[in-house]
Amino acid sequence: DARVTQTPRHKVTEMGQEVTMRCQPILGHNTVFWYRQTMMQGLELLAYFRNRAPLDDSGMPKDRFSAEMPDATLATLKIQPSEPRDSAVYFCASGLALQGNYGYTFGSGTRLTVV
Amino acid sequence: RKEVEQDPGPFNVPEGATVAFNCTYSNSASQSFFWYRQDCRKEPKLLMSVYSSGNEDGRFTAQLNRASQYISLLIRDSKLSDSATYLCVVNGGSNSGYALNFGKGTSLLVTP
Repeated sequence: DARVTQTPRHKVTEMGQEVTMRCQPILGHNTVFWYRQTMMQGLELLAYFRNRAPLDDSGMPKDRFSAEMPDATLATLKIQPSEPRDSAVYFCASGLALQGNYGYTFGSGTRLTVV
Repeated sequence: RKEVEQDPGPFNVPEGATVAFNCTYSNSASQSFFWYRQDCRKEPKLLMSVYSSGNEDGRFTAQLNRASQYISLLIRDSKLSDSATYLCVVNGGSNSGYALNFGKGTSLLVTP
């Protein structure tokens, strides 16, 4: 089965450090999403790309978060500087956005702990 | 108010029981609907799509009521392996870039 690959699986970092999370979407998928999951808020949409172009990043704290898609095989989410409240699981999902669209496939997530 | 609302549970049911989950959504322009399943410390996985006519996949039946903006999932003959969190998911369509909006999930525990 095709998979969305995320690295690293786990990351523990100190407050103030830069964190970069990576995602390799499924080949051929034209849409990539970044979600964050916490117990309190559930799954929140941070940003997404269509055909590598950023479409919406209104869910992200702009001052510290940035998302890019340098090529069709790589999406990145960066936090600089990181804060303890950023501790969460960050999921990448990819899929084909079409009329009559279908659900998307999620990666295994990056579990981030900021101390 | 979240766009997708679910009863968080937990629902504790014995094996073999029938259990139903409900969900409401606020965006009347939403175009497609899903149930995802998430196991502890794992990623969400698509369980089934939800169609206006209702649809069934083995022991699972999903229903959609567009007029009431209400989605349901029925699980018959519950198995221990059904224990998970069930996420109600709404796709807002082209106006929202086909992004998925998730409910916070309903926790199900099936006991022997």
